[in-house]
Amino acid sequence: DVKVTQSSRYLVKRTGEKVFLECVQDMDHENMFWYRQDPGLGLRLIYFSYDVKMKEKGDIPEGYSVSREKKERFSLILESASTNQTSMYLCASSPTGSTEAFFGQGTRLTVV
Amino acid sequence: DQQVKQNSPSLSVQEGRISILNCDYTNSMFDYFLWYKKYPAEGPTFLISISSIKDKNEDGRFTVFLNKSAKHLSLHIVPSQPGDSAVYFCAAPNPGSARQLTFGSGTQLTVLP
Repeated sequence: DVKVTQSSRYLVKRTGEKVFLECVQDMDHENMFWYRQDPGLGLRLIYFSYDVKMKEKGDIPEGYSVSREKKERFSLILESASTNQTSMYLCASSPTGSTEAFFGQGTRLTVV
Repeated sequence: DQQVKQNSPSLSVQEGRISILNCDYTNSMFDYFLWYKKYPAEGPTFLISISSIKDKNEDGRFTVFLNKSAKHLSLHIVPSQPGDSAVYFCAAPNPGSARQLTFGSGTQLTVLP
């Protein structure tokens, strides 16, 4: 069964902290994505990666960075968390040639 | 500039009746569309898709219709069930990078028992 796992369901961090959100997939997918979901805005792509050590900016990369050292793991990093980064973060993966993405359960991040 | 738009943030329907969720797009290069369903505190799950070479795709209670000339698609759920209550997102792969999906803002469907 397809599985994308995000390390935390809920996270509370302070303004200015460095935050790591981890995502692991067990499907040997080449593509991995980080989205954030906000009311009225839907899912917006932050970054994606189509191979190990490769990354590309999505629609809203400012304030974020990513790391993909292994095929199965894609990390989202908030270098200095701010309150406007309070959101639901969703990781997804897909195989090469497919448009269907499989999502993790999401991480609800609150920055105080 | 939202290329995929869902103009109804919410929809309430009586159990057993039809639910119709709408989605409009602006990019005529989009050639494939997907619908995802999302329950609270869970990630979205794929529901149904349609290629631009078709105007209809059916899977059980779910049917998606595509009107290319109007750049409009709709998801029909018949009959609606309380378990269908969720947020529904339509999405399309970016023509320049088919890996990326562009999502609409979502429609919260509530099916009343």
